[in-house]
Amino acid sequence: DVKVTQSSRYLVKRTGEKVFLECVQDMDHENMFWYRQDPGLGLRLIYFSYDVKMKEKGDIPEGYSVSREKKERFSLILESASTNQTSMYLCASSSGDETQYFGPGTRLLVL
Amino acid sequence: GEDVEQSLFLSVREGDSSVINCTYTDSSSTYLYWYKQEPGAGLQLLTYIFSNMDMKQDQRLTVLLNKKDKHLSLRIADTQTGDSAIYFCAETLGGKLIFGQGTELSVKP
Repeated sequence: DVKVTQSSRYLVKRTGEKVFLECVQDMDHENMFWYRQDPGLGLRLIYFSYDVKMKEKGDIPEGYSVSREKKERFSLILESASTNQTSMYLCASSSGDETQYFGPGTRLLVL
Repeated sequence: GEDVEQSLFLSVREGDSSVINCTYTDSSSTYLYWYKQEPGAGLQLLTYIFSNMDMKQDQRLTVLLNKKDKHLSLRIADTQTGDSAIYFCAETLGGKLIFGQGTELSVKP
């Protein structure tokens, strides 16, 4: 079974803080993705990575950056958290067949 | 455009069939997916259909694909209260998935 884990289920941060969201997958997948999910908007792609040290912008990269130093780990970084980044963050991974497997999500509240 | 469209809500009675509909945009999508999200959880892959198929059945789930109309549907037979969740359809586009807004299925006893 594919296992994708995220470092926190719930996180509360203050405006201006630097926030790290970690994602780890154990299936040696090449591709990893970060989404945010907001009511009525579905899932929107923030960043993705096709290989170690590679990153590509998704549809809404502003205010975020990512890091992929190891194949199994993909980190999402909020350089200076803002209240409009309060959301559910979902990580996913996939191999060549494009089927994505998701982690349990991190619900972030920025005060 | 790149919008995948779904209706936002569906309410059914326990034991009835549920049909969740989706229209997608890219006729070259290789796979089309259905994901299920229970409250407070991540997305769970429910089923998928390869684009050269018209139908796929998996126990209580039936996926129908109409490529001409770019219409995908998910039928859940004998719907149970445990099927209450948000259901997302998704199409592939350049190695990425494009998701619909999700359909919230409410199953009443």
